[in-house]
Amino acid sequence: AQSVSQHNHHVILSEAASLELGCNYSYGGTVNLFWYVQYPGQHLQLLLKYFSGDPLVKGIKGFEAEFIKSKFSFNLRKPSVQWSDTAEYFCAVSSGAGSYQLTFGKGTKLSVIP
Amino acid sequence: DAGVIQSPRHEVTEMGQEVTLRCKPISGHNSLFWYRQTMMRGLELLIYFNNNVPIDDSGMPEDRFSAKMPNASFSTLKIQPSEPRDSAVYFCASSLHLRTNEKLFFGSGTQLSVL
Repeated sequence: AQSVSQHNHHVILSEAASLELGCNYSYGGTVNLFWYVQYPGQHLQLLLKYFSGDPLVKGIKGFEAEFIKSKFSFNLRKPSVQWSDTAEYFCAVSSGAGSYQLTFGKGTKLSVIP
Repeated sequence: DAGVIQSPRHEVTEMGQEVTLRCKPISGHNSLFWYRQTMMRGLELLIYFNNNVPIDDSGMPEDRFSAKMPNASFSTLKIQPSEPRDSAVYFCASSLHLRTNEKLFFGSGTQLSVL
């Protein structure tokens, strides 16, 4: 069975600081990888996804993530965070074959201090 | 497009009572998912439907939980009888197709508190 680990439960940054949120998955086959974001009081929405091609994926609001197959990782990055990036971020993985199953990590809460 | 609509937003009930959560997926979407979010376990997939047919309910925790999708525009998740450990946020999501690289559209969730 696939699983997802997000290393940090809560990250606190000042505005303009750089962000990197870790995500590791366990599954030996083809995977599709996602980052979802949940802003305070809002529903989850897709930030970016990878399923093939260039392992460096660019998403909305200046976020990007890099798929490193050898490390089973899909870390989320942003060079300069803003207060409006305060939210909870979820990494998710689905396998490329077999029954549909999107597995989420437990989430990382990001607090950006103005 | 109104997005995925869930009701109620908040539900407070007493142990032993029946609870029904409702979901209206985005029009034209063929797949619907029910997730539960808790602090301890994060987001867990409970069950999903494709073309109104339940495909996999292996995530449903117990027989007290049941889900139906009588038509393409409506689904319910029922807990009977409810217990305090069922307290969580329940999310419904839909997607255009059942594909592993498909984007999910989530509703705002139902915050369930069982006293």
